[in-house]
Amino acid sequence: SYVLTQPPSVSVAPGKTAKITCGGNNIGGKGVHWYQQKPGQAPVLVIFFDTERPSEIPERFSGANSGNTATLTINRVEAGDEADYYCQVWDSYSDHVVFGGGTQLTVL
Amino acid sequence: EVQLLESGGGLVQPGGSLRLSCAASGLTSDTFATSWVRQAPGKGLEWVSAISGGGDYTYYADSVKGRFTISRDKSKNTLYLQMNSLRVDDTAVYYCAKDRRQQVVHFQGFFWGQGTVVTVSS
Repeated sequence: SYVLTQPPSVSVAPGKTAKITCGGNNIGGKGVHWYQQKPGQAPVLVIFFDTERPSEIPERFSGANSGNTATLTINRVEAGDEADYYCQVWDSYSDHVVFGGGTQLTVL
Repeated sequence: EVQLLESGGGLVQPGGSLRLSCAASGLTSDTFATSWVRQAPGKGLEWVSAISGGGDYTYYADSVKGRFTISRDKSKNTLYLQMNSLRVDDTAVYYCAKDRRQQVVHFQGFFWGQGTVVTVSS
């Protein structure tokens, strides 16, 4: 089955840029979606189809996808961005939705 | 505003059954692909099952195939997950998540419920 690999944790100072990666075999050929989940809350979609952003999500959030790595970038990080972030794709070989293991973003 | 409300969770013994429901409001007609996603305590998100907007296509994770059944009642804007032969490792918060499209392919969870807790324990 298709595997998505994320770093368990990323730390960043307020006001700086956070980059969270999601690795997968030829992931650049798939549409990647990203979710933010804060403690005790349901996930929220922050990026869909690699680079698209729901209207309610700040422009500070952006995505890229090429080769074997997709990346979620958060510019001018704020304390409120501290959360777990998950990447997700559709695996057409298995007809499964696949999530990455998640990355805990810590704002120092 | 689309809202999803899950219900039906609870404590059940191994081998038992539960039926989860996900009621959608804020939709004139629910024709959107929907998934069940679960999260075990302290763990990440795990996709469980999905159904197309028309209800004619269903998909299951290998870990639940043959034990869980997803269905939908369009007249009630409600999604169901029948869970049989429950195991201890099925313990999790179960979320329903809805796309803005009918097809499950390239599923994106635009809307999420707050989840219902399922505990499988003797």
